[in-house]
Amino acid sequence: EDQVTQSPEALRLQEGESSSLNCSYTVSGLRGLFWYRQDPGKGPEFLFTLYSAGEEKEKERLKATLTKKESFLHITAPKPEDSATYLCAVLDTGGFKTIFGAGTRLFVKA
Amino acid sequence: DGGITQSPKYLFRKEGQNVTLSCEQNLNHDAMYWYRQDPGQGLRLIYYSQIVNDFQKGDIAEGYSVSREKKESFPLTVTSAQKNPTAFYLCASGTGDTQYFGPGTRLTVL
Repeated sequence: EDQVTQSPEALRLQEGESSSLNCSYTVSGLRGLFWYRQDPGKGPEFLFTLYSAGEEKEKERLKATLTKKESFLHITAPKPEDSATYLCAVLDTGGFKTIFGAGTRLFVKA
Repeated sequence: DGGITQSPKYLFRKEGQNVTLSCEQNLNHDAMYWYRQDPGQGLRLIYYSQIVNDFQKGDIAEGYSVSREKKESFPLTVTSAQKNPTAFYLCASGTGDTQYFGPGTRLTVL
């Protein structure tokens, strides 16, 4: 059964303190891995799609990387406006359903 | 502006009532999806549609119904058979592998 586990559940950082969020997954074959940002009371905002191990993508202070078992979302020198819940999801090669993790809540303090 | 709209933003339902949540997109996407989000859980798929006049049940379809009469529209009805409908409902659309989300509807049962 496809499964996505995100860790930690919550992460508190000081402004400028870099860190990483983890997304480990189990799928029969990976078609794509997705990262989203979700602010409270709003819909998820698409960030990245990764397709193969070794692939990296960047957007401002965020960089997503992918291995055969997990993905990391690296946050460099975060600012308070980076505070949000970050969702990871996977789509396997066999189906039409995207499986979402429970998310990591990030709090960045000024 | 291209995007996905959901209405209403907040919805209150009395027990025993059916309610319909609206989802419209002008992105010309073929696929549309409905998810339910509860605190501490990943998004769970209710229904999805790959093409007009066709839709499939997701993981938690019991107590819900949908229609897809137009490419742009995918309304979700929460019926009285859904025993615990209080949640945040998210509509998404996509082309290819990536899904894009609307702003969500928060449904509360009184």
